[in-house]
Amino acid sequence: AQSVSQHNHHVILSEAASLELGCNYSYGGTVNLFWYVQYPGQHLQLLLKYFSGDPLVKGIKGFEAEFIKSKFSFNLRKPSVQWSDTAEYFCAVNERDSSYKLIFGSGTRLLVRP
Amino acid sequence: DTGVSQNPRHKITKRGQNVTFRCDPISEHNRLYWYRQTLGQGPEFLTYFQNEAQLEKSRLLSDRFSAERPKGSFSTLEIQRTEQGDSAMYLCASSRETQYFGPGTRLLVL
Repeated sequence: AQSVSQHNHHVILSEAASLELGCNYSYGGTVNLFWYVQYPGQHLQLLLKYFSGDPLVKGIKGFEAEFIKSKFSFNLRKPSVQWSDTAEYFCAVNERDSSYKLIFGSGTRLLVRP
Repeated sequence: DTGVSQNPRHKITKRGQNVTFRCDPISEHNRLYWYRQTLGQGPEFLTYFQNEAQLEKSRLLSDRFSAERPKGSFSTLEIQRTEQGDSAMYLCASSRETQYFGPGTRLLVL
């Protein structure tokens, strides 16, 4: 069965620190990849997505992610975090051409200290 | 606001009761999805519709759960004979390509 692993369940950073959140998936076929964010008290919002093309994807609020096919990874990065980035981050995958459902990782809670 | 809306936002019920949730998708989206999220986990897929047709159901969707999308617009998710294990956040999403999520309905079964 397909699965998505997010290695860090909780991350605490100080403002201006760099962020990298890991995401690995298990599926041998072609996939679409997503990062969603959930700010406190708000609903899931799309941060960025990868369907095809340049494996380095830029999203909103200065986030980016790199798809490394050989490593089945789609790690999220931001060079300098802000207090307002405190949120829960979810990586998600869907199998292109076979199903539209999203398979989510268990999430990473990020706390940015001012 | 033209996003996905869900009603009610919160529901408290007693074990054994039936509950129904509603989802109104973004108007031009032909696909609608239901997910369930419990504390500390990511959302888990339950089912999805393309227009009015229910095309995929998860094994998580027991026979106590039924979802409909009668006219290809809004959808309802009904849980019959609720159990404490049904307590969760029920999320709806809609899409053309990318899924956009609603605020969810938080269900507590006492």
